[in-house]
Amino acid sequence: EAGVVQSPRYKIIEKKQPVAFWCNPISGHNTLYWYRQNLGQGPELLIRYENEEAVDDSQLPKDRFSAERLKGVDSTLKIQPAELGDSAVYLCASSLGQGNYNEQFFGPGTRLTVL
Amino acid sequence: GNSVTQMEGPVTLSEEAFLTINCTYTATGYPSLFWYVQYPGEGLQLLLKATKADDKGSNKGFEATYRKETTSFHLEKGSVQVSDSAVYFCALSDLGGYNKLIFGAGTRLAVHP
Repeated sequence: EAGVVQSPRYKIIEKKQPVAFWCNPISGHNTLYWYRQNLGQGPELLIRYENEEAVDDSQLPKDRFSAERLKGVDSTLKIQPAELGDSAVYLCASSLGQGNYNEQFFGPGTRLTVL
Repeated sequence: GNSVTQMEGPVTLSEEAFLTINCTYTATGYPSLFWYVQYPGEGLQLLLKATKADDKGSNKGFEATYRKETTSFHLEKGSVQVSDSAVYFCALSDLGGYNKLIFGAGTRLAVHP
């Protein structure tokens, strides 16, 4: 069974440019998460989807970040415009449901460098 | 708010040494506790979990016991291998956040032959 797929794996852009990350969750997983992992820190949740609905986006900086999950499968996270402080690894995860005992499976992440 | 504190790394050990990585948490109620591992170039993988007080999670020779009285979930392994070299993250599941994971900062483990 394929795991969570993310692309690109690496992205280098100049500040003020837009950037987008793509995530394909494990087949059948209704819940999808985007996390940001700053260097030397643990991941922090940005947004959680139940199917196509964003049910927790309280940590998403909405002035420059946006996300969508059309048809409740793939998801895209966008930053526009990017700032130097956005350099981090962006992780996507999925789980069967939102219950506390549903294991979250993580993708390899996209490492973003903003110059 | 809920939080997780891990011992700082890196932790450097020789092969077959005993490993302990300390983890303490702050939470209201009784969250589930997890250890995730991140091998170089790979995504985070669930290593083990415990869902209630006094539960012991175990996997691949690693163990951790949910200690409510000390709010701790220390990771241990009796004999580490070079292949255990990775970054280890302690996490709790925020009961109010429906499976929202709150992670510690991670502890890098380097095992030398």
